[in-house]
Parts: sequence; structure tokens; C-alpha cells
Amino acid sequence: GAVVSQHPSRVICKSGTSVKIECRSLDFQATTMFWYRQFPKQSLMLMATSNEGSKATYEQGVEKDKFLINHASLTLSTLTVTSAHPEDSSFYICSATNPGPGALAQHFGDGTRLSIL
Amino acid sequence: SQQGEEDPQALSIQEGENATMNCSYKTSINNLQWYRQNSGRGLVHLILIRSNEREKHSGRLRVTLDTSKKSSSLLITASRAADTASYFCATDVSKLTFGKGITLSVRP
Repeated sequence: GAVVSQHPSRVICKSGTSVKIECRSLDFQATTMFWYRQFPKQSLMLMATSNEGSKATYEQGVEKDKFLINHASLTLSTLTVTSAHPEDSSFYICSATNPGPGALAQHFGDGTRLSIL
Repeated sequence: SQQGEEDPQALSIQEGENATMNCSYKTSINNLQWYRQNSGRGLVHLILIRSNEREKHSGRLRVTLDTSKKSSSLLITASRAADTASYFCATDVSKLTFGKGITLSVRP
């Protein structure tokens, strides 16, 4: 089945550090990937839609200068949390849709637990 | 506000029992999907039901959809301890919107 790999799984760093999270589709090409944020015992909140070869589409209220998204290839999207602060601590999850007829389900990475001290 | 709202928020059952989880939504949808999330992990797609379908089965899973009531249910039959996880419904309009999830605990 379609596999999405997300790295790193956990990051602990000091306030002011920029953190890059990678999301890779391992056995399919993903023209579109999605980045979500999840707080404890809460739902997934879509942050942005990452489009290969073009600018990401950000959801309302998400700062594009804070959360930089790059989708330079059909198998890799990156999310960089710039100058991270404690309020950015959260669980970040990426997903991708395996293109093809009737492909509607999203395949998720295992998430990245970001803790800013 | 969120499109999908699950009910109950938490469910605890004995192994072997059936688990029924409900989801309500507000606007018309293209399809509705159920996902599972183990603690600290990503989501796993379980089943998708299109707006013109009323019921769908996959192994021990049974999903129903009532578009007139804007609701869906997920039934897990003969539950196992390994089914312990959070379950989310997600409605697909122009993008996937997730509910808050249901925490299912299956006691061995």
C-alpha cells in the first residue's frame, strides 16, 4: 500500500530555533501533500496544502512566513517552523493522496512531535 | 466550526463486544471517511463511503451513511484489545475536515 514517511519523529529544541520536517511518499508520486497540526486530544487542523512546483495554499490564520512549505519534488514536501517558540509545540502530521482513479483516501506519515523549550 | 463531530467522545468496552461510533456533519459532502490513530502516531485510513452509498463493509468494520440526517456510524464487530485507538470521521467537501475523534478502549 501507499507509504508516507515523516522525519524526524521527535524534536526538542530551544526557543528561536528553526525546525525542518520532511514528508516523503515512498512508493508513489504525490503532486499534493497536506500538513496538519494536532493538539493533545484534539482534531487535526489543516495548516496548508503543498503543491509540487508551486506555492503552498495556506489555511486562514496560518502564518506563511512562520510555516514555510517547500514541495520541490513529487515525493518530498518540507515544513520549516521558523524561529520556533513554545506555543509552536505540537504534533505535526503530513499526508498525501496516491493519485489514480478514485483515489480519495489520504495516507499519513507518523507525525513529528515538536517541543520548544 | 468543525464539519464532523463524533459521538461519544470516549467509549470503553470489553473484548468481543461491538463498538458503535457516530459522526454528524453540517453541510453536503462528497464522501465521508473514517480514520484510526494509535497514540502518538499518524492516521490510518479505514473506510470511505460516498454520498450516494448507504452502507459499506470492510472486514469487521461496517459504516453507514444517512445524508438526510447528515450522520454516519462506524461499527466494529467482535472488538479486540488491538482496536484500542482514537477514531476520526472526516468529511470531504473541497478538503478533508476532521472531527475531534472518539477514544476507544477495548479491555482484554
